[in-house]
Amino acid sequence: QIQLVQSGSEVKKPGASVKVSCKASGYNFNKYAILWVRQAPGQSLEWMGWINTVNGNTEYSQKFQDRVTITTDTSASTSYMELSSLRSDDTSVYYCARGLTIFGPHYFASWGQGTLITVSS
Amino acid sequence: EIVLTQSPGTLSLSPGERATLSCRASQTITYYSLAWYQHKPDQPPRLLIYGTSSRASGIPDRFSGGGSGTHFTLTISRLEPEDFAVYYCQQYEDSPPGVTFGGGTKVEI
Repeated sequence: QIQLVQSGSEVKKPGASVKVSCKASGYNFNKYAILWVRQAPGQSLEWMGWINTVNGNTEYSQKFQDRVTITTDTSASTSYMELSSLRSDDTSVYYCARGLTIFGPHYFASWGQGTLITVSS
Repeated sequence: EIVLTQSPGTLSLSPGERATLSCRASQTITYYSLAWYQHKPDQPPRLLIYGTSSRASGIPDRFSGGGSGTHFTLTISRLEPEDFAVYYCQQYEDSPPGVTFGGGTKVEI
């Protein structure tokens, strides 16, 4: 059974950084991309980036290019998404997802449960 | 960046009725680039359709996708009570690499 288990909710102050983890199980971690999206309250889904779990290559949305870093620890079948210089409008539920393949086209085939990040002073 | 516009914003229907959801792209996209998701409160989204018309694993055949060019549709042939949710379309681009989502359509009773 494919599972993606994310780290728990966090409250951060403006200007801080947050690192969300996503531990995968039930499949070969190195055969599928890991993708990250977020959803602000009342808003649609917003793609942040993805990572090729074989070679570590990443692609980031231009919106987050300067603030986001996606990494993997293949020995632990875990991906991480770090977002820096947090602002109040970064308050969102952050999701990781497994792609349908290692390469594109990228679809979000299996999802983590989501991690609520609240940015507040 | 390709913009996806979904309509209607809200669709009010009854169980057993047919639902047709629209997703329009700001420019032509390839058939393999379009997907649909179902999203219920307090759950992660679920992939329904990818490559415009391929059903994801475990998705009932009352869900079907179609379209081409700039206009794509998701059809639910006979609504079940568990189908009332928000639906998003999503597209993938090769160059430059990226993903965008539509604004969503809420299917309500």
